[in-house]
Amino acid sequence: GAVVSQHPSRVICKSGTSVKIECRSLDFQATTMFWYRQFPKKSLMLMATSNEGSKATYEQGVEKDKFLINHASLTLSTLTVTSAHPEDSSFYICSARLSGTGTDTQYFGPGTRLTVL
Amino acid sequence: GDSVTQMEGPVTLSEEAFLTINCTYTATGYPSLFWYVQYPGEGLQLLLKATKADDKGSNKGFEATYRKETTSFHLEKGSVQVSDSAVYFCALNDYKLSFGAGTTVTVRA
Repeated sequence: GAVVSQHPSRVICKSGTSVKIECRSLDFQATTMFWYRQFPKKSLMLMATSNEGSKATYEQGVEKDKFLINHASLTLSTLTVTSAHPEDSSFYICSARLSGTGTDTQYFGPGTRLTVL
Repeated sequence: GDSVTQMEGPVTLSEEAFLTINCTYTATGYPSLFWYVQYPGEGLQLLLKATKADDKGSNKGFEATYRKETTSFHLEKGSVQVSDSAVYFCALNDYKLSFGAGTTVTVRA
């Protein structure tokens, strides 16, 4: 249980285009999902917290107009990188929070490798 | 704010060796503690967790004990295998996850 999927796993796009990445919790409902960015050989950087039915909360320094987040249902959050540029190339990972007895635990998707040419 | 300090790598071991990765934390409250593992080109997988002091998390031969007195959550495995080669992240959860820098572990046959 607690499986999170991401689509696509890899995407290559031209500079100036927009790319949408989907994050789905497959076997549980997640009112909160998170989007991270990971640079090579580095830890994860939290970009934003996505709450179902409300606006996302962005971390300091993350451009909300560039990284659009939509959490339209309890099992789906999307990240759209608008007008992508080569510096946006990175590994993007989402997670979904499973709440319940005990503690909240985040389960991670497999990641999406974005390359902007 | 909350933070996690993790042993710097990389760590290179031979098969069947003992592995320890140190992790200490600072937190204002009583966070839950986690170890995640990342295999090359993949996302993070939850390895184990502990929710309160003196709890021991264990999975796949790995163990870690939540030590409030030393604010630590060290990861250990008694006999590593080549398949344990990965990057290991210590994290604490106080609504948001705070990650350590990650430790790259390479196990040689």
